[in-house]
Formats: sequence, structure tokens, C-alpha cells
Amino acid sequence: DIQLTQSPSSLSASVGDRVTITCQASQDINTHLNWFQQKPGKAPKLLIYDASNLEIGVPFRFSGRGSGTDFTFTISSLQPEDLATYYCQQYDDLVTFGPGTKLEIK
Amino acid sequence: QVQLVQSGPEVKKPGASLKLSCKTSGFTFTRYLIHWVRQAPGQRLEWMGWINGGNGNTKYSQKFQDRVTITRDTSATTVFMDLSGLKSEDTAVFYCAVGSTLDHWGQGTLITVSS
Repeated sequence: DIQLTQSPSSLSASVGDRVTITCQASQDINTHLNWFQQKPGKAPKLLIYDASNLEIGVPFRFSGRGSGTDFTFTISSLQPEDLATYYCQQYDDLVTFGPGTKLEIK
Repeated sequence: QVQLVQSGPEVKKPGASLKLSCKTSGFTFTRYLIHWVRQAPGQRLEWMGWINGGNGNTKYSQKFQDRVTITRDTSATTVFMDLSGLKSEDTAVFYCAVGSTLDHWGQGTLITVSS
């Protein structure tokens, strides 16, 4: 099974900050990686697909990059509504989710 | 628009079985994978398996493969998930989601396993 690790597991940042989350796969997954945002009590929402493609309707402050085993997710200017947990997910071989990064607003 | 509407919350006893449904609309059912995902309270998302809406082929996570069965009713564009041998750790919200990018999700179904 492909394992995903994310770092950090949690972080606290201020409105306007640039925030970066990393996701590492246990083997080469090409660009078969998505990023999700999950707010408390809600279903996950797809933000980035195929490592770097912004889902329709998602604000441009969200971006992703990477291929192979190393990926990054960035929020260029943090907004109050970005309070959430963020998950990476691979679909190169079945499906696996990362452990999540809980983002708090200072 | 794409919609996935899941069945309602349930309370189950340990050892019992569960059958959840996910009614879909707004897309061509036979062209997509439909997934099931479990999320225990305060825990990460766990992929359980998927079914191919077209040919009915299934794939399951190794963690759940002995206990889970995913089926579909093509005419009703509905997917079902059976989970047997319920344990307290199956207390969770279960989601269905569509596509290789899981771009649309159901609202989730809360299952409580308690004696």
C-alpha cells in the first residue's frame, strides 16, 4: 500500500500569511495526488487535483505542485475562512489519504 | 448538478451489520467510480473501497476487505455499502464520493456502534 505523510500535523498562522503543507508518498505516484479541505462537521472539498490543477470555483490563493514522491500545497495569503484540516490523497494505486494538517488562525 | 444523497444515521450493536445507500444524480452513473470513505471522530479520512458504476467491478482497502461489500443498482443510480462485524471503532461518519478525483461528496452518514 502507498503511504502518505504530511507535515506539519498542525499549524497556526495569521491572516495574510503564506502557508505551505508538504505531502510525501512512500513511492512514485507521478502527479496522481489531490488536496482536500475539510471544515468541522462538513464533507471534504476538493481544492487541487492532479497535484497542481485548481478545481473550478476554488480561490486562486490555493495552489499545489510536485510530482513523484514530494508535493506541496500553498495558501498564498491566509484568510479567516481557511480554518480547516487539509488532506492530501493519492490515487495512483487504489486510494490513500494523508493524516491531515489542522490549520488554525492566530 | 451532481448530487449524492446518503441514507440517514443509525445506531447499531457490536457484531451487527450495516447497509448504507448513496443515491446519485446529475452525472452519467456508468462512467464513474463511486467510493466509500470512513471518518471516525477526530480522525483522518480512511478509504474503504470503490465500485465501477459501469461494470460493477470493485476494489477494497486491505483494512476493510474482509468486512465490506459495495454494490450498485444501475437503474436507480444508487450505490450500497455493506459492513459486517461492527465494532465500537466503526463509530464514524461514512461518506460516498464520485470520480477518480472524488470531486463530489455525499453529506455523510453518522453510524454509532454501541451496546
